[in-house]
Amino acid sequence: EAQVTQNPRYLITVTGKKLTVTCSQNMNHEYMSWYRQDPGLGLRQIYYSMNVEVTDKGDVPEGYKVSRKEKRNFPLILESPSPNQTSLYFCASSPQGPVGYTFGSGTRLTVV
Amino acid sequence: QKEVEQNSGPLSVPEGAIASLNCTYSDRGSQSFFWYRQYSGKSPELIMSIYSNGDKEDGRFTAQLNKASQYVSLLIRDSQPSDSATYLCAVRASWGKFQFGAGTQVVVTP
Repeated sequence: EAQVTQNPRYLITVTGKKLTVTCSQNMNHEYMSWYRQDPGLGLRQIYYSMNVEVTDKGDVPEGYKVSRKEKRNFPLILESPSPNQTSLYFCASSPQGPVGYTFGSGTRLTVV
Repeated sequence: QKEVEQNSGPLSVPEGAIASLNCTYSDRGSQSFFWYRQYSGKSPELIMSIYSNGDKEDGRFTAQLNKASQYVSLLIRDSQPSDSATYLCAVRASWGKFQFGAGTQVVVTP
């Protein structure tokens, strides 16, 4: 089944403890992206990647890191999480071209 | 000013009626436009894409694009209770920059 897989689905952590949210797609898509979704603010793009080793900042990159060492994987790293990073996170992928993203199931992160 | 704007709603629509959703965008260079549906607690699901001016129909959904006015709309005909969801407008301005509006909540009432 073609899909974008994120793990974990739910995560509660403490301020300052480094964490990684994994994302993997099995569709051989070139483009991958991370979003966070907050009530009233909608989906905001954190980082995106065109292909292996090619990444760029989205609208809200502060406090996040990404890497794209393999085409299928695009992990999101929070090196020192803070409570304002409590949010619902989505990973998405798409093939090259003017097409829409396919989204993963989401990761609900709570930082206390 | 947000780059992609939508009315937040909720938009209350009687069952069987037409729901009309609007979206404006600020980047004139944008080339591709999308509508997503998101049920509460679920991930966004792509329902329509449109690339050129005019109308595009798919089943009960019609997307309309006017690049001169920087305006995209979505019509849902014969609205059903299962159409109750939040509808997100998205704009692809460049290869990676893919921005969403905050969404319009639609409530279809029996």
